[in-house]
Amino acid sequence: DAKTTQPTSMDCAEGRAANLPCNHSTISGNEYVYWYRQIHSQGPQYIIHGLKNNETNEMASLIITEDRKSSTLILPHATLRDTAVYYCIVRVANFGNEKLTFGTGTRLTIIP
Amino acid sequence: DGGITQSPKYLFRKEGQNVTLSCEQNLNHDAMYWYRQDPGQGLRLIYYSQIVNDFQKGDIAEGYSVSREKKESFPLTVTSAQKNPTAFYLCASSTSAGSYEQYFGPGTRLTVT
Repeated sequence: DAKTTQPTSMDCAEGRAANLPCNHSTISGNEYVYWYRQIHSQGPQYIIHGLKNNETNEMASLIITEDRKSSTLILPHATLRDTAVYYCIVRVANFGNEKLTFGTGTRLTIIP
Repeated sequence: DGGITQSPKYLFRKEGQNVTLSCEQNLNHDAMYWYRQDPGQGLRLIYYSQIVNDFQKGDIAEGYSVSREKKESFPLTVTSAQKNPTAFYLCASSTSAGSYEQYFGPGTRLTVT
């Protein structure tokens, strides 16, 4: 699975959009971009994933650049409950490729 | 509500004792996983199972054992052979089709003294 690079930490004001970047310059054509987050002392929570088109769900939007070498997770109206560590993971989505390789992620702090 | 349950949330054991961590899911997922997380670190895969009565070692299987007798259940035993068992243990499950995103339980924090 391709390696990802994320900033160590970010702050965002409550109510504003939080934009979390991820670089994955060695991504292969069949690898998806997944985002998870982990609130302190809880299990990771799946947020969103995409291959090459932008994606949106009730939690967030995922913007993937045309060359697929980077992506941005957008939390449109951040709340205090969005304070967490956010992980960007790149992997082939198929049966038999079970491992999720979590790096150290981005620690997002929402400021009141 | 569908989900993954892990029990207990906190577990304390003496060194040299085996301990079994519970993981149950009612999502009808085929695959289940066990991860370990140490402070300030990412997750590391211990074992995974794609189907009942079958499981494979992950990256750090030494000192651990699992069973998968039922689709809903995937218990993890931390044996006395595990050198550093104190950690946060996370169970997850996923479907065997589609985009294979994994859903995690709340975790069990094991402390061995």
